[in-house]
Amino acid sequence: RKEVEQDPGPFNVPEGATVAFNCTYSNSASQSFFWYRQDCRKEPKLLMSVYSSGNEDGRFTAQLNRASQYISLLIRDSKLSDSATYLCVVTNTGGFKTIFGAGTRLFVKA
Amino acid sequence: DAMVIQNPRYQVTQFGKPVTLSCSQTLNHNVMYWYQQKSSQAPKLLFHYYDKDFNNEADTPDNFQSRRPNTSFCFLDIRSPGLGDAAMYLCATSGLGEYNEQFFGPGTRLTVL
Repeated sequence: RKEVEQDPGPFNVPEGATVAFNCTYSNSASQSFFWYRQDCRKEPKLLMSVYSSGNEDGRFTAQLNRASQYISLLIRDSKLSDSATYLCVVTNTGGFKTIFGAGTRLFVKA
Repeated sequence: DAMVIQNPRYQVTQFGKPVTLSCSQTLNHNVMYWYQQKSSQAPKLLFHYYDKDFNNEADTPDNFQSRRPNTSFCFLDIRSPGLGDAAMYLCATSGLGEYNEQFFGPGTRLTVL
């Protein structure tokens, strides 16, 4: 079993749609959680951290369920510019050992 | 602008010929990371430096080595590249703390002939 698992997609959605991504992790001792975005042939960039209480940043909402070892990302009112791969990231051991999920590919269509 | 710089952006080497990839940062971060990312796969952590303290991942092949001569620079050495080492190599930096963002360089795409 992979340490961080994501639905690879792709998700094909129209502009304005709401889309949700899920991620599960296997190490119950995991400490920190993030969503990164990676555009085609570019480097990953932080989208948002995921806090225990859940957090929102504009159209993006992240949730963490430590009991179920599950992280989610909700994107509301999708834009064409949201098309990218979304990477679920988990860190352990003082925040240095970083494990990326394989990513979920999103295509937003006009 | 503070940033993470990787050179070269594209590197072609021959099977078995040693190659060195370079990373520099102007963020003055304590931690530097090297990742390998193959097509359609997750970035895979190879090792990280906490200041001069080197931390190798258990499954990183011995073929991969790293040097960090100072805070700003970090190098990835591939001693004998194989065809399976063709990938994007990403350098990242972060500060300390539980929720420190990692800042990535643009990557070096390595081709092995």
